[in-house]
Amino acid sequence: QVQLQESGPGLVKPSQTLSLICTVSGGSISSDSYYLNWVRQPAGKGLEWIGRIYTRGDTTYGPSLKSRVTISLDTSKNQLSLKLTSVTAADTAVYYCARSPIGNHGMDVWGQGTTVTVSS
Amino acid sequence: DIQLTQSPSSLSVSVGDRVTITCRASQDISTYLTWYQQKPGKAPKFLIYGASTLQTGFPSRFSGSGSGTDFTLTISSLQPEDFATYYCQQTYTTPRTFGQGTKVEIK
Repeated sequence: QVQLQESGPGLVKPSQTLSLICTVSGGSISSDSYYLNWVRQPAGKGLEWIGRIYTRGDTTYGPSLKSRVTISLDTSKNQLSLKLTSVTAADTAVYYCARSPIGNHGMDVWGQGTTVTVSS
Repeated sequence: DIQLTQSPSSLSVSVGDRVTITCRASQDISTYLTWYQQKPGKAPKFLIYGASTLQTGFPSRFSGSGSGTDFTLTISSLQPEDFATYYCQQTYTTPRTFGQGTKVEIK
């Protein structure tokens, strides 16, 4: 079955760009149809949906980060990426990628998460 | 955006207790409501979708109900492995939004 694994730098300086990768295994994002989401969670706080991309290409972003975020796919590497520009300490969080099937379903497969700290 | 309000924010219960968590949506979302279970240091787990369909792998002591704006997650007899934080999420529209979470703690 599909498995997801996030990776990226654990420390990012303020004002720089946060870049994360989610590697998909157990399936091909170029041939399967589902959404891949990014969700984040500051320490001790709740879940925030960042946005999603359909494996056929459409993206949707949450309003709070929309001006700073880009989600994309690299089908040749079977990877999902997240880029968040102009980061501040408020962007310090655990970042998860998660799959949601087509239709109005929730996210049924999650990566283990990767912690990103924004600090100089 | 659709706001989801969970109550209570936390509760202290004993093994064997019945637990009820509510999630209220700011507008009608039909049955497009998902519940997740999250344990410390772990990713959320997909627990219930469509308001009442239990995901494979979870025991039948978990159940969900509701439609429209009011939803309930019930654990009929709490077991030690059920101590966790539970989140609701609406899948009616984007942006997807989550409730603030309900932490179920040991009394």
